[in-house]
Amino acid sequence: TQLLEQSPQFLSIQEGENLTVYCNSSSVFSSLQWYRQEPGEGPVLLVTVVTGGEVKKLKRLTFQFGDARKDSSLHITAAQPGDTGLYLCADSLTGKLIFGQGTTLQVKP
Amino acid sequence: GAVVSQHPSWVICKSGTSVKIECRSLDFQATTMFWYRQFPKQSLMLMATSNEGSKATYEQGVEKDKFLINHASLTLSTLTVTSAHPEDSSFYICSARGLALRDAYFGPGTRLTVT
Repeated sequence: TQLLEQSPQFLSIQEGENLTVYCNSSSVFSSLQWYRQEPGEGPVLLVTVVTGGEVKKLKRLTFQFGDARKDSSLHITAAQPGDTGLYLCADSLTGKLIFGQGTTLQVKP
Repeated sequence: GAVVSQHPSWVICKSGTSVKIECRSLDFQATTMFWYRQFPKQSLMLMATSNEGSKATYEQGVEKDKFLINHASLTLSTLTVTSAHPEDSSFYICSARGLALRDAYFGPGTRLTVT
């Protein structure tokens, strides 16, 4: 059974700071997705990465996929209060989307 | 595009009653739908996968007789929580994927409270 581990589990920072969250898999990712979820809402897809070594940018968010396709990171530059939420990585192995335990990010103004 | 809705957005029911949650794909045909539950400050746990016209596949530890899933059409799946108990209180989220879509898209979730 594939296990996705995210770190850190909780992160509280001040507005303007940079941060990185990590996602590691016990096996090679099929395709890795990063989601962001706000309280009381469903997750929203941020990015999908498939190719080892791939780097994608989404405004202040930079997503990296490890060469071996077993790890990924999400880096946020100059965090804003609007970035607050639960960040989830997921893999669509065998067609089912399996999630890591998530990183709760709080950005204080 | 790729919008998924859920109804109701929140529901309160009494112990012992049953409650039905609907998940609809609004602008695409969902060949596969997934049901998740989420406890406060935790991640999403997959409950079951349903393909249109066939029986749902439940994850280990999920009671199929308690959580009835029906995927009768390409745009609608329902989750019925039967004989609900307070421990069934949770946030239930569906996601849907179509043949032409690489990714699955999530509904806004349904907050169930059993009193």
